[in-house]
Amino acid sequence: QSVLTQPPSASGTPGQRVTISCSGGGSNIGDNPVHWYQHLPGTAPKLLIYTNSQRPSGVPDRFSDSKSGTSASLAISGLQSEDEAIYYCAAWDDSLKGVIFGGGTKLTVL
Amino acid sequence: EVQLIESGGAVVQPGGSLRVSCEFSGFHDNEYAMHWVRQAPGRGLEWISGVGWDGGRKAYADSVKGRFSLSKDNSKNALYLQMNNLRPEDAALYYCAKGARKFYFENSDYDLWGQGTLVSVSS
Repeated sequence: QSVLTQPPSASGTPGQRVTISCSGGGSNIGDNPVHWYQHLPGTAPKLLIYTNSQRPSGVPDRFSDSKSGTSASLAISGLQSEDEAIYYCAAWDDSLKGVIFGGGTKLTVL
Repeated sequence: EVQLIESGGAVVQPGGSLRVSCEFSGFHDNEYAMHWVRQAPGRGLEWISGVGWDGGRKAYADSVKGRFSLSKDNSKNALYLQMNNLRPEDAALYYCAKGARKFYFENSDYDLWGQGTLVSVSS
């Protein structure tokens, strides 16, 4: 059971803006950075957003994040078919003294 | 080339042991923490262990604590995960991942991943 809660699915049409939420607690999101990954079947997860909302080289600025208290969200604007993937949030948890991932959100581009 | 290559995955009987390896290249391994993340069939990502840049600090998920042991050999550019008393629920694709920030242990941001090595636990 994940300590970070994500909706199991999300969907949108090409060009739309979609958001994926990630809800946690004071010992994880409330106290540590949240990071986001894109995972396509058969490939390694890809870091999308990291500390202070930075994007690794090659990740388009259509991807952005936000955080408030113990919740975070990933926003994808100008949705494209290649964005169809599973998205995970992750954070260090001070109580567990380890990393926790959300359960993942499967994004479908209709 | 900056890369991580896992190896050592196999089919193991319940209660058995296995060591998986991660060879890394293209970066100064003594500057970054290294972690293992797994994905069981049909499930999400699960962090299981991490080791600091100097091999000192280590952390384990409760699900593997006392059974798995992580070590790092900087001279060989390799990371090892020794897995003992394996259970059916340990069956997964095991990924090695590099922390994105130098000299930082509490990483949940991994900017480099291997392709994974598959561990099956079955009698």
